Amino acid sequence: AQSVAQPEDQVNVAEGNPLTVKCTYSVSGNPYLFWYVQYPNRGLQFLLKYITGDNLVKGSYGFEAEFNKSQTSFHLKKPSALVSDSALYFCAVRDMKDNYGQNFVFGPGTRLSVLP
Amino acid sequence: DGGITQSPKYLFRKEGQNVTLSCEQNLNHDAMYWYRQDPGQGLRLIYYSQIVNDFQKGDIAEGYSVSREKKESFPLTVTSAQKNPTAFYLCASSIARQDGTGELFFGEGSRLTVL
Repeated sequence: AQSVAQPEDQVNVAEGNPLTVKCTYSVSGNPYLFWYVQYPNRGLQFLLKYITGDNLVKGSYGFEAEFNKSQTSFHLKKPSALVSDSALYFCAVRDMKDNYGQNFVFGPGTRLSVLP
Repeated sequence: DGGITQSPKYLFRKEGQNVTLSCEQNLNHDAMYWYRQDPGQGLRLIYYSQIVNDFQKGDIAEGYSVSREKKESFPLTVTSAQKNPTAFYLCASSIARQDGTGELFFGEGSRLTVL
């Protein structure tokens, strides 16, 4: 069965410093990987996805993520954090082994706090 | 603008009552989903639908029911059989691509509190 782990419940970073939010996954086939952000009492917003091709994926609001197949990881990164980046971040995977995976599996979320 | 509208945003219910959460989308997406969010547990799939008049149970369907009579609408009923219904409920939709590359688009959520 597919699964997603986000090993850190909370990440604190100073404004202007680079940030990393970690994600590792387990699937039986080729993974399709996604990052979402959630602000308090709001729905999730799509940031970026990896389907195939270049391992470095660029997304919204200056975020990027690096796919590493050997380490089964898909870490979210940003070169310079903003206070407004403070939110809850979710990694999700879709297992395409069945060629039409219907279910997204979400990680438990990582709360990012960017300190001024 | 295109998007997903969930209502109501906040809902209070007495024990033993059924409640229905509305989800409407104008994105022309075929697939729609209901998720439940509890603190520290990520999102868990309740039901999903790939096409009108068809839907499938997710991981935690017990105590919930859905219908898909129109492409745009996917209401969720939380029944009295759901033992712990207090949660944040999220509706989502996606293009039902065969290759599975479509991402999910989410509504703003409905927070249900059982008194």
